[in-house]
Amino acid sequence: SQKIEQNSEALNIQEGKTATLTCNYTNYSPAYLQWYRQDPGRGPVFLLLIRENEKEKRKERLKVTFDTTLKQSLFHITASQPADSATYLCALRDTGGFKTIFGAGTRLFVKA
Amino acid sequence: DTGVSQDPRHKITKRGQNVTFRCDPISEHNRLYWYRQTLGQGPEFLTYFQNEAQLEKSRLLSDRFSAERPKGSFSTLEIQRTEQGDSAMYLCASSLTGGSYEQYFGPGTRLTVT
Repeated sequence: SQKIEQNSEALNIQEGKTATLTCNYTNYSPAYLQWYRQDPGRGPVFLLLIRENEKEKRKERLKVTFDTTLKQSLFHITASQPADSATYLCALRDTGGFKTIFGAGTRLFVKA
Repeated sequence: DTGVSQDPRHKITKRGQNVTFRCDPISEHNRLYWYRQTLGQGPEFLTYFQNEAQLEKSRLLSDRFSAERPKGSFSTLEIQRTEQGDSAMYLCASSLTGGSYEQYFGPGTRLTVT
């Protein structure tokens, strides 16, 4: 069956450390993968997109990797801040369609 | 343009009633998506429009759900004969065609069915 999985347990880290979140997928062949941030009671906000032919993408303190062999994407936030506390969602678009499939998200807490 | 807007923000209805939600996407965006999100889950795809054409609809969506985008601008999502299991946040998102796949989400409509 097709699945997209993120760590269901919340991630607690200390301010200044690097947060690493994982997204694994099964039985999809996505052309690209996206990461979104969602704060409670609000809609998701787009952060980064990485294509299947890209290994790594960076934007300010954010870095995303995409390994199509492992079927995994890693999302890193360096020098984390309490304001980074939120739920982070990964999403992919299945080939041949328009549907975007989201993972359940990982809740990140950054302690001062 | 300030982004995607949705109306109402909250809706409480009794089981069996019909409800309609509206989404106004970013004006130049021709792609529009509807999602449903429950607590602790990611957004679940419901349907997709490109301009006024509804190009994909989730198989999970029962016949009680219908969506329209009559002039390729705003969209409505109607739920008929609501059930308690329909209680969720309903999110709308829009994006541009032409290689840009990032979706801009609205604030959502929270539906509570009593």
